[in-house]
Amino acid sequence: SQKIEQNSEALNIQEGKTATLTCNYTNYSPAYLQWYRQDPGRGPVFLLLIRENEKEKRKERLKVTFDTTLKQSLFHITASQPADSATYLCALDIYSGGGADGLTFGKGTHLIIQP
Amino acid sequence: DAGVTQSPTHLIKTRGQHVTLRCSPISGHKSVSWYQQVLGQGPQFIFQYYEKEERGRGNFPDRFSARQFPNYSSELNVNALLLGDSALYLCASSGTDRNYGYTFGSGTRLTVV
Repeated sequence: SQKIEQNSEALNIQEGKTATLTCNYTNYSPAYLQWYRQDPGRGPVFLLLIRENEKEKRKERLKVTFDTTLKQSLFHITASQPADSATYLCALDIYSGGGADGLTFGKGTHLIIQP
Repeated sequence: DAGVTQSPTHLIKTRGQHVTLRCSPISGHKSVSWYQQVLGQGPQFIFQYYEKEERGRGNFPDRFSARQFPNYSSELNVNALLLGDSALYLCASSGTDRNYGYTFGSGTRLTVV
């Protein structure tokens, strides 16, 4: 079965710096890799999706890279702000087209942006 | 436009009881998924339904069941509750365009005592 590793230790970043979060997975590469943000007591909020044939995706201050050789995705938040403090989840979408295996999530990385 | 709504928001049940959780997807979304999230872990896939049919099932015992109604809302049922079923249960809906990912509700916090 697919296994996902995210650095579950809290990541402390100074405001204004770039935060970089890592997602490593085993076994086969997913068709899609997604990143979500989750605040305490709330459901995850979709941020970005990257396909297996894409290397990089950007949205405002967010950037995601996908390296299927390394089996790794990096998630970057540039010009970080205290409001970016949250848990960030990496999720793999295997979707074979014939059925649905749902999303496989990592444990998430707790990001803290220090003012 | 309302997001994904789940009810109830909190629930306390006794071991051995059963529980029904409800979810209304975003208007126009025909796919609903259920996830279980225990403290400190990422959500774990339970079921996915599309057009009232089960399309996927995670590694959960038969005590867990679900269904989807003609209006695309969904119910998750759990029988013979165990203490280990205490968790945040999340519902997610999705449209046909995968580029928009899944939209999650705020969840139902289930505590089994």
